[in-house]
Amino acid sequence: DQQVKQNSPSLSVQEGRISILNCDYTNSMFDYFLWYKKYPAEGPTFLISISSIKDKNEDGRFTVFLNKSAKHLSLHIVPSQPGDSAVYFCAARGSQGNLIFGKGTKLSVKP
Amino acid sequence: DSGVTQTPKHLITATGQRVTLRCSPRSGDLSVYWYQQSLDQGLQFLIQYYNGEERAKGNILERFSAQQFPDLHSELNLSSLELGDSALYFCASSVQGRDYGYTFGSGTRLTVV
Repeated sequence: DQQVKQNSPSLSVQEGRISILNCDYTNSMFDYFLWYKKYPAEGPTFLISISSIKDKNEDGRFTVFLNKSAKHLSLHIVPSQPGDSAVYFCAARGSQGNLIFGKGTKLSVKP
Repeated sequence: DSGVTQTPKHLITATGQRVTLRCSPRSGDLSVYWYQQSLDQGLQFLIQYYNGEERAKGNILERFSAQQFPDLHSELNLSSLELGDSALYFCASSVQGRDYGYTFGSGTRLTVV
């Protein structure tokens, strides 16, 4: 049973527009959420995170929103750039301290 | 270069065989995590070690085992390999056990034929 779900396997966006990647979770005890980006033939790299006590965190073009009542978080990329094309993984920190990942969403940003 | 080194990068082996994957964590990091990424699957947590001791266990098969050595490098041993074990195996490290993010290696691609 998946505790972290990314229901969109892929997303295509025009350069300069906003990319919105979504993630749902089932466990209300998760206290920290992270987004990772992965290019082919590389390991995932940390992008941005948010604590469960906040509802928004911003870092440059990247903003993560957390809606605890809906158990939903989203990653906004504005403006999107071709170099943002990658697989994005949503993750939640479990009770043992390990990260629980979703299946990922492949973002394609077209010039 | 993330600072986490995984060897080998690619491995092709036959069913029933045993392989060992190696991970050297980033300098100063005490925790090592192993993840498996199969086709169309997310990153599945296998096991965590902290300073030589097993800290947490995920969906790791009994045919798989791991350890962390005194120099903090870790090895993941996969035995009696099956076709379904073909996957990318990632190692990650962090300073402690409940950090806010991991640093991942570039992975070992295992193909079982």
